[in-house]
Amino acid sequence: DVKVTQSSRYLVKRTGEKVFLECVQDMDHENMFWYRQDPGLGLRLIYFSYDVKMKEKGDIPEGYSVSREKKERFSLILESASTNQTSMYLCATRGLAHEQFFGPGTRLTVL
Amino acid sequence: GENVEQHPSTLSVQEGDSAVIKCTYSDSASNYFPWYKQELGKRPQLIIDIRSNVGEKKDQRIAVTLNKTAKHFSLHITETQPEDSAVYFCAAKQIPDSSYKLIFGSGTRLLVRP
Repeated sequence: DVKVTQSSRYLVKRTGEKVFLECVQDMDHENMFWYRQDPGLGLRLIYFSYDVKMKEKGDIPEGYSVSREKKERFSLILESASTNQTSMYLCATRGLAHEQFFGPGTRLTVL
Repeated sequence: GENVEQHPSTLSVQEGDSAVIKCTYSDSASNYFPWYKQELGKRPQLIIDIRSNVGEKKDQRIAVTLNKTAKHFSLHITETQPEDSAVYFCAAKQIPDSSYKLIFGSGTRLLVRP
């Protein structure tokens, strides 16, 4: 059974803080993704990684960066959090059959 | 690039009735169309997918139809039950991968009234 975990379910940060969101998977999947979910906007891709140390920008990368030093871990970094980054953040991996497996999500509030 | 539009944004049906959610896509090269269900407070999970070599696929009370000419696909849920209440997302991509990206629709919130 695929397991994708995220470091926090809820997070409250202040404007200007550096924020780290961690995602860990145990299925040896090469592809990992970070999405943000906002009402009425669906799932928007921030960044993805197709292998260790490889990353590509998604549709809304501004204000974010990522790190993939090990295959099982994909981190999303907000260098200087802003209130418009308040959102639900979902990590996902992709299996061989193209199905995406999502983590439980991190609800981030930036005050 | 690919763009996926999903309608309606909200849908309310009586228990036992059918529900239909429609999506249109823009890239004629897309050939893989999954549907994800996200229950309140939970993660999205794949419920059914269809590839462009078939026009319809069924799994118990859910079915997906694909019209490649018109570039639209639909999710059909029959005999709806309260546990079908959730947000449903359609998506599209081309496989083998020309891009690793899966393009999602904006979601449909389905409410099944008991």
